[in-house]
Amino acid sequence: GIQVEQSPPDLILQEGANSTLRCNFSDSVNNLQWFHQNPWGQLINLFYIPSGTKQNGRLSATTVATERYSLLYISSSQTTDSGVYFCAVERNDYKLSFGAGTTVTVRA
Amino acid sequence: DAMVIQNPRYQVTQFGKPVTLSCSQTLNHNVMYWYQQKSSQAPKLLFHYYDKDFNNEADTPDNFQSRRPNTSFCFLDIRSPGLGDAAMYLCATSKGPTSGGLQETQYFGPGTRLLVL
Repeated sequence: GIQVEQSPPDLILQEGANSTLRCNFSDSVNNLQWFHQNPWGQLINLFYIPSGTKQNGRLSATTVATERYSLLYISSSQTTDSGVYFCAVERNDYKLSFGAGTTVTVRA
Repeated sequence: DAMVIQNPRYQVTQFGKPVTLSCSQTLNHNVMYWYQQKSSQAPKLLFHYYDKDFNNEADTPDNFQSRRPNTSFCFLDIRSPGLGDAAMYLCATSKGPTSGGLQETQYFGPGTRLLVL
């Protein structure tokens, strides 16, 4: 199956700092999503981004499908950004394959 | 608001006592999924329905079953829960492929946290 690798595994930020999370995948995909899992366990959709660049407030994402990676940018981080960020990809079988996640801790 | 709803949010059961988790959606999506997520791990797909077609993952234990009586509802039945089945169970939906063949966004419910005593 497709392999999804996220880096770094853990990230500690001071409030206000910027950061970049990376997702590499081993094969072509039809879907790539970024999620934020909050402390209560809910997976919140951040981006649906099989290719290109999108922005939503302080967050933005870029996927370079030909090079099989995606980046999630967090700018001016806030304590509410803490949690686990997952990248997940889907080929043509309706199934999302998740990376192991990046645990982000933002300190006040 | 259209959404994916899971009940209950927390479920406590006894070792070996059957338990059912429920999921409903108001998105009218064709595909519904059940994932298991253990502590500090990524969600793991158990099975999914495309309309009424059931698709089981090869490594999903027989102890886990699912029912989808209609478009809106999907149930996860754990016939004889063991201690190792304690986890967060996530339901998700998606519309299905677009006319261009791309997959659509998956939307997740809030999850049911299962504790087995």
